[in-house]
Amino acid sequence: ILNVEQSPQSLHVQEGDSTNFTCSFPSSNFYALHWYRWETAKSPEALFVMTLNGDEKKKGRISATLNTKEGYSYLYIKGSQPEDSATYLCAFMRAGGTSYGKLTFGQGTILTVHP
Amino acid sequence: EAQVTQNPRYLITVTGKKLTVTCSQNMNHEYMSWYRQDPGLGLRQIYYSMNVEVTDKGDVPEGYKVSRKEKRNFPLILESPSPNQTSLYFCASSLIGLAKNIQYFGAGTRLSVL
Repeated sequence: ILNVEQSPQSLHVQEGDSTNFTCSFPSSNFYALHWYRWETAKSPEALFVMTLNGDEKKKGRISATLNTKEGYSYLYIKGSQPEDSATYLCAFMRAGGTSYGKLTFGQGTILTVHP
Repeated sequence: EAQVTQNPRYLITVTGKKLTVTCSQNMNHEYMSWYRQDPGLGLRQIYYSMNVEVTDKGDVPEGYKVSRKEKRNFPLILESPSPNQTSLYFCASSLIGLAKNIQYFGAGTRLSVL
C-alpha cells in the first residue's frame, strides 16, 4: 500500500486567517493527485485534479500547488470562513502497471474555522 | 440531476448474513469505485471498475466482491459480513481518465455488523 501522508492532522484557525496544509506522496511513477473537500454528514466533493509538476489550480479562495519531483502538494485557503470547516483529503494515483485506476487517499486534514 | 445513488443509507446486520449495497450513476461514467472510511484512516479503496466487466482490487478487497454487468451499476457484495467490516462506505464514479476527471461520490452507506 502506497504511503500518502497529510499534515497537520487537524487545524484550528480564526475567521479571516489564511492557512495551508500539505499532502506528501511517492515521487516515483506519479500520474495524478486529487484534492477533495469533505463536510461532516455530506459526501466528499472534488476540488482539483493535478497532473503536471509546477501546476497551480485555483477555485475562489482555495488554491493548490504541485511538486511531483519532491512528492508534495500544498492546499491554501485565503481568508478562511466558518463554511470552510471540513476535512480536506488528497488522493494519489500511480502511473503504469496494474495500478491504473487505483487511488490512495491520505488520512485527511480536519480544518475548523472559528468565527 | 447528475448523481450517484447508494442504497441503503443505513444498515444493521449480523455476522455471516450476506448483504449487497447497491450503487447506481446516471452520468454514463466508465469508472466506478468503492471506498470505506474508518476513523483516522481516511478513505481506503476496496474495488474499482474501469468499464463493464472490468474490475480490479483496491487496497482493502478482502471480504468483498463486486460486479459490473451494466455501466450504470456497481454493487458491493459482502458474502459473510464480519464486525471488522463495520464502516462508512462510499461509491464514486468518474469519466475514464482520472488524470483530468473528478470523481462524484454517493451519499454513503453506514453499515454495522453485530
